[in-house]
Amino acid sequence: DIQMTQSPASLSASLGETISIECRASEDIYSNLAWYQQKSGKSPQLLIYAANRLQDGVPSRFSGSGSGTQYSLKISGMQPEDEGDYFCLQGSKFPLTFGSGTKLEIK
Amino acid sequence: QVQLQQSGAELAKPGSSVKISCKASGYTFTSYDISWIKQTTGQGLEYIGYINTGSGGTYYNEKFKGKATLTVDKSSSTAFMQLSSLTPEDTAVYYCARNRYPRWYFDFWGPGTMVTVSS
Repeated sequence: DIQMTQSPASLSASLGETISIECRASEDIYSNLAWYQQKSGKSPQLLIYAANRLQDGVPSRFSGSGSGTQYSLKISGMQPEDEGDYFCLQGSKFPLTFGSGTKLEIK
Repeated sequence: QVQLQQSGAELAKPGSSVKISCKASGYTFTSYDISWIKQTTGQGLEYIGYINTGSGGTYYNEKFKGKATLTVDKSSSTAFMQLSSLTPEDTAVYYCARNRYPRWYFDFWGPGTMVTVSS
């Protein structure tokens, strides 16, 4: 199985701060990478797919980048509503696998 | 709008089975396949498998073969997942989600169904 190593496990950011979350795959996943936000007690919401494609309706402060085995999610200007858990998903090879998650909080 | 409505929480005894439903609305059901995902605090998110909503064909993560059985009822736009021979390790929130291709990701998720296995 492809292992997805996500970092950091937790992050505290000030309002307006720019933050990044990383996912590293154990092998090339050819940009088959999605990012999700999950708020407490809710189901995940798609933010980014195909490594850098912004899902409809998602604020433009979210962006994704990367290729090969290294990918990142950037939030340009932290907002209060951005608090939550974030995780990546690789869709390159079965079984699909997820990153372990990043808990993002307001400082 | 796209919605995936899941059945309610289940409390089950070890060794028993449960069947969770996922009713789709707001789109043509058979145009998108449905995946199932397990979430626990300890193990995080695990991919169980998916069902082709048109043909009923399935893929299972090796880890969940024999544990999960995926079926579909096209007439009611509903996907089902049966979990059998339950153990406390099956205690989790189970999500259904709509598949997107060719990049393989999920664009909509159900609200989740909490399954608790306890004697």
